[in-house]
Amino acid sequence: KAGVTQTPRYLIKTRGQQVTLSCSPISGHRSVSWYQQTPGQGLQFLFEYFSETQRNKGNFPGRFSGRQFSNSRSEMNVSTLELGDSALYLCASSLELARNEQFFGPGTRLTVL
Amino acid sequence: DAKTTQPTSMDCAEGRAANLPCNHSTISGNEYVYWYRQIHSQGPQYIIHGLKNNETNEMASLIITEDRKSSTLILPHATLRDTAVYYCIVKRDNYGQNFVFGPGTRLSVLP
Repeated sequence: KAGVTQTPRYLIKTRGQQVTLSCSPISGHRSVSWYQQTPGQGLQFLFEYFSETQRNKGNFPGRFSGRQFSNSRSEMNVSTLELGDSALYLCASSLELARNEQFFGPGTRLTVL
Repeated sequence: DAKTTQPTSMDCAEGRAANLPCNHSTISGNEYVYWYRQIHSQGPQYIIHGLKNNETNEMASLIITEDRKSSTLILPHATLRDTAVYYCIVKRDNYGQNFVFGPGTRLSVLP
């Protein structure tokens, strides 16, 4: 069974631009979560989607948004990029919302110049 | 969710058991203990989780003290590929995958 895939793997943007990252969960998984990882703040939860609805949200500004499609694929968008948004963005999928381990993708490395 | 405390780093000789401690003294009755690890340049990987009984799977064993205030992850025969950052997370396992990752323990398996 294929794992979680994320595209693109690497991305370079400039301040003020916006970016969209994509995540395809493991087949049959219905929950998708997004995390941001930086050297200074570590791994931080962004949001979680289940059945096309946002179920949980971390403490990030409104510039960070996401959505989930009917096939469980998910996208996250960051508008008006700032230098501090440079990070590894990780997507994870799980079968359901509760009591299931997450399976992480390889991440998208975003660099904001 | 309860906060966890882990040593910043540990070393282990290849082939020996690696015992990674985690303190979660404020854990409440409905909170589970999860362990993940992150090998350099990869996404985190689920290892094991438990509530109060000891758990074992093909990767590791999880020993939770009777008062549930601490736990130990045991890798029975560490290999060089087990070198990674190990995260102990306590979470109410009733809803959502919004895990809070701390800094974890950097385990170095030495030849």
